[in-house]
Amino acid sequence: GQSLEQPSEVTAVEGAIVQINCTYQTSGFYGLSWYQQHDGGAPTFLSYNALDGLEETGRFSSFLSRSDSYGYLLLQELQMKDSASYFCAVRDGGSGNTGKLIFGQGTTLQVKP
Amino acid sequence: GAVVSQHPSRVICKSGTSVKIECRSLDFQATTMFWYRQFPKQSLMLMATSNEGSKATYEQGVEKDKFLINHASLTLSTLTVTSAHPEDSSFYICSARGLAGVDHNEQFFGPGTRLTVL
Repeated sequence: GQSLEQPSEVTAVEGAIVQINCTYQTSGFYGLSWYQQHDGGAPTFLSYNALDGLEETGRFSSFLSRSDSYGYLLLQELQMKDSASYFCAVRDGGSGNTGKLIFGQGTTLQVKP
Repeated sequence: GAVVSQHPSRVICKSGTSVKIECRSLDFQATTMFWYRQFPKQSLMLMATSNEGSKATYEQGVEKDKFLINHASLTLSTLTVTSAHPEDSSFYICSARGLAGVDHNEQFFGPGTRLTVL
């Protein structure tokens, strides 16, 4: 079967750094994505890793190790507005217009003052 | 970035009625659209994948006759929940992927439709 594991909840204080881990087991793998979702809202794209290593986008970074079927999202200089759910997702098909995103269960991040 | 809209944003209906949800890609052509369902505090569960002009591919456990999907054009897909029941109450989210070359690694999500069946 296909599964993605991530912690259900993480709590951190403003200004801190937090890492959300994701391990996956899928039939196909064409990249790991991260999405942010605020309560009642739509998921918004944060980052995508197709190859091993670290991708940095502002305060957010994402890492992938394909040999370990593992990735993480790193959030730096946490702000209150970062309180949201974070989902890792694996694309199980190839490039172009094939494949679909399989989502993890989501990690609820609570940022405290 | 690419924009995907959904209509309606909220709908309340009586049990047994049908509800249609529209998903539109506003500034790009979406050859593939995805429909997800999300229950409170849970993940997004893929219901079906639709390609323009062809029949949708449903995930295991999703009833084709209950959740009718039409993807008649490159900018519009619809999901019709037929004979809705209270257990169908959920947050329905569509997602669209554009043509190759338009950042094909990314799916763009609509704002979602909150369905409540009484």
